[in-house]
This record gives sequence, structure tokens and C-alpha cells, in this order.
Amino acid sequence: AQKVTQAQTEISVVEKEDVTLDCVYETRDTTYYLFWYKQPPSGELVFLIRRNSFDEQNEISGRYSWNFQKSTSSFNFTITASQVVDSAVYFCALSEAGGYQKVTFGIGTKLQVIP
Amino acid sequence: GAVVSQHPSWVICKSGTSVKIECRSLDFQATTMFWYRQFPKQSLMLMATSNEGSKATYEQGVEKDKFLINHASLTLSTLTVTSAHPEDSSFYICSARPTGTTKKAQYFGPGTRLLVL
Repeated sequence: AQKVTQAQTEISVVEKEDVTLDCVYETRDTTYYLFWYKQPPSGELVFLIRRNSFDEQNEISGRYSWNFQKSTSSFNFTITASQVVDSAVYFCALSEAGGYQKVTFGIGTKLQVIP
Repeated sequence: GAVVSQHPSWVICKSGTSVKIECRSLDFQATTMFWYRQFPKQSLMLMATSNEGSKATYEQGVEKDKFLINHASLTLSTLTVTSAHPEDSSFYICSARPTGTTKKAQYFGPGTRLLVL
């Protein structure tokens, strides 16, 4: 069975601070995909990143960066110099590689960036 | 990029009525679509996998007779909440996986908020 754990349910930071959102996953698959999504108050899911299990290179996209460590089954997400617009719920998710590729979501981390 | 729409975006209905939610892939075909439910301040939970031309596969604990899924074409899946009750009030989100591609992406719709009075 697949499981995604986001231990931080809510985080508050002051604008311009850096913040890291933790994600730990469990799967028996050797090939899988990891995702991060942003869900602003409007509810629509915004895709941020998809990473396959064979690619452990860290990735940076603007103020966003991701640290994938297979050894610890973690896929952490860091926002540098946070902004108020970053306030949202962030979901980490895991998908099987074969079959229908069902996505299992973590419970989400609510990030509040205070001006 | 790939776009998925949902209709309606908001629906309020009386208890005991049925509500149909549509999920459309606008610029690609999707053999497989997924339906999720999200209760307030909770995560998205997969309800069922919808397959074009065949029966949907429901997750454990989801009543297939209550949540009817019809995937009649490669661009449309519908979820009908039958005899809705207040506890069915939730945010329903669909996703679609493009057909005929090696990419493992799923594209999510904007969601439908259902309030049952």
C-alpha cells in the first residue's frame, strides 16, 4: 500500500523567510512518481512538480526547490523568500507507475505567509 | 497545456435529489479519469477510476450505487451523486490521464463544490 505523510499540518512564516515543507512516502513499487500540488483558497489544484523514482537530482524552479532523497523516502519542498501569494495548502502525492497510476495524496500542509 | 473542465463549479441541492457532475478533457482524449473527494481541511481521497467504455473501479468504502460513474466518451466522464444527503457535501475533483502517451501526467479539473441542504 502507498502512503504519504506530511507531518506539518500548518506552518506560519513571515514574508521573505524560507520555509521547507516535509514529505515522507511509503511504497513497495520500485518505479513510482512523486508530485507536489498547491491548492489556493479557490480550491483548484496547481501542479508544481513531478519526479520519477529514478531521478534523484534536486530541482530548482525560481523560488521553489525540491530535495528528493530515496534513502530516506523523502521529497521535501522549499520556498525561498516566501511571499504572501504562497499562502495555500500544499499537497505531496505519490503515484504508482503501472496500471491506472492512482495518486495517493498526503493530508496537506497549510502555509500562511504573514506580511 | 492540457485542460480539464468540470461543470458545474458550484451546486446546491436538496437532500434526496441527485446531482450530476461532468468532467471534460478539453484538448486531449482520456481513456482513464479519476474522481476524488475532499472534505473541508482534509486531503483528496480517490473515490473511483473511470474507464471509457467499461465499468468504473471503486475504492474501498465508496458505494458504487450511490456514486454512479459514466465514462461514455474519451473526453467526458460524469459522476452522479444519487439521493444526496448533507454528509455528501464535499469538494469533488476529477483528473484525466491523456491516452496514447508515455507521459505519466494527470491533469486535474478545477473541482465542484457540492452542498446538500
